[in-house]
Amino acid sequence: AQSVSQHNHHVILSEAASLELGCNYSYGGTVNLFWYVQYPGQHLQLLLKYFSGDPLVKGIKGFEAEFIKSKFSFNLRKPSVQWSDTAEYFCAVNAGDYKLSFGAGTTVTVRA
Amino acid sequence: NAGVTQTPKFQVLKTGQSMTLQCAQDMNHNSMYWYRQDPGMGLRLIYYSASEGTTDKGEVPNGYNVSRLNKREFSLRLESAAPSQTSVYFCASSLGQGDFNQPQHFGDGTRLSIL
Repeated sequence: AQSVSQHNHHVILSEAASLELGCNYSYGGTVNLFWYVQYPGQHLQLLLKYFSGDPLVKGIKGFEAEFIKSKFSFNLRKPSVQWSDTAEYFCAVNAGDYKLSFGAGTTVTVRA
Repeated sequence: NAGVTQTPKFQVLKTGQSMTLQCAQDMNHNSMYWYRQDPGMGLRLIYYSASEGTTDKGEVPNGYNVSRLNKREFSLRLESAAPSQTSVYFCASSLGQGDFNQPQHFGDGTRLSIL
């Protein structure tokens, strides 16, 4: 079974700082990759996804992610965070079946 | 559109009690899922239903049962609740039909505490 590792448990930033969250997975075949965000008290929402094509994908709210196949990585970035980006971020991997494996999540706190 | 609706939103049970968590989606999705979310562990799949009439175990199925009542509804039952089942439970749905690059859509969650 595939596993998903998120490098940081908790990240604290100031507004306008850049954000990069790491995600690595352990599966050698074709994968579908997702980043979800969970704002406080809310359900998970899709930020972006990658399944083929350009390895740099853009999502909502100015987020982007880069798929590097050789490194089994799918890191999430945002050039300039806002206070409203305070949330928990989850990387998830699907290896061509119904099971979506999630990382443990990274809590991002943005200080005004 | 309501999307994925879960009931109840909160529940407190005593050890040994049973209850059913309800989930319904209005997106005409074929596949539905139940997850539990625990601090530091992300979401873990309990059971899923690839299509109406089928259910399969996920990563942590012990102590749970599910029913895919129809295409819209997928319930999760705890027969004899244990404190280890204290968690936040999320239902999700996706298009399915082998289209695995489609995202899952999540409900608002049920916060369940077992004393």
